[in-house]
Amino acid sequence: DIQMTQSPSTLSASVGDRVTITCRASQTISPWLAWYQQKPGGAPKLLIYKTSRLETGVPSRFTGDGSGPEFSLTISDLQPDDFATYFCQQYHTYWTFGQGTKVEVK
Amino acid sequence: QLVESGGGLVQPGGSLRLSCEVSGFAFSSYWIYWVRQAPGRGLECVATIKQDGREEYYMDSVKGRFTISRDSAKDSVYLQMNSLRVEDTAVYYCARGRMRWTNDAFDIWGQGTRVTVSS
Repeated sequence: DIQMTQSPSTLSASVGDRVTITCRASQTISPWLAWYQQKPGGAPKLLIYKTSRLETGVPSRFTGDGSGPEFSLTISDLQPDDFATYFCQQYHTYWTFGQGTKVEVK
Repeated sequence: QLVESGGGLVQPGGSLRLSCEVSGFAFSSYWIYWVRQAPGRGLECVATIKQDGREEYYMDSVKGRFTISRDSAKDSVYLQMNSLRVEDTAVYYCARGRMRWTNDAFDIWGQGTRVTVSS
């Protein structure tokens, strides 16, 4: 099974900050990596697919990058609506999610 | 959209059938996934069914206990869960793959239905 290791588990930040979340796969999965945002009590929302492709309607301050086993999600100019939990997911071989990163108010 | 139903409280060893009703897109063109999230835990993809229903995939811990199926006449996908265990307790979501005809990231999710396995 492909394991996804996401870090950090919690990230404290302020509005306007630039934050980066990383995800490492236990084997090559490129480019089949997605990022999701989840708010308390809600379903995950797709932000990025195929490593760097922005889902329709998602603000351009969200960017995805990476190759091989290591990937990142960067949020530039953090907005109040961005405080949430973020998950990476590989869909190269079956489907595995990272453990999640909670972005909280500093 | 996707709308789940069928969750509830069940004793260990019991059964439940979850439903996912689809509307607003061509049901027969997309893979559908069941994803669960246990309290304080991450996301797990428990079962998947291709657009034509001819292939199914299951995570190891549910193989032999869960069965995914789809009914094109009702635009619905089902998850039959038997021999339920305490560790199956979670919110269960159904989700759609982005692209027609193929495996992809999950772009549309239901609101989730809660399953609690407890004596």
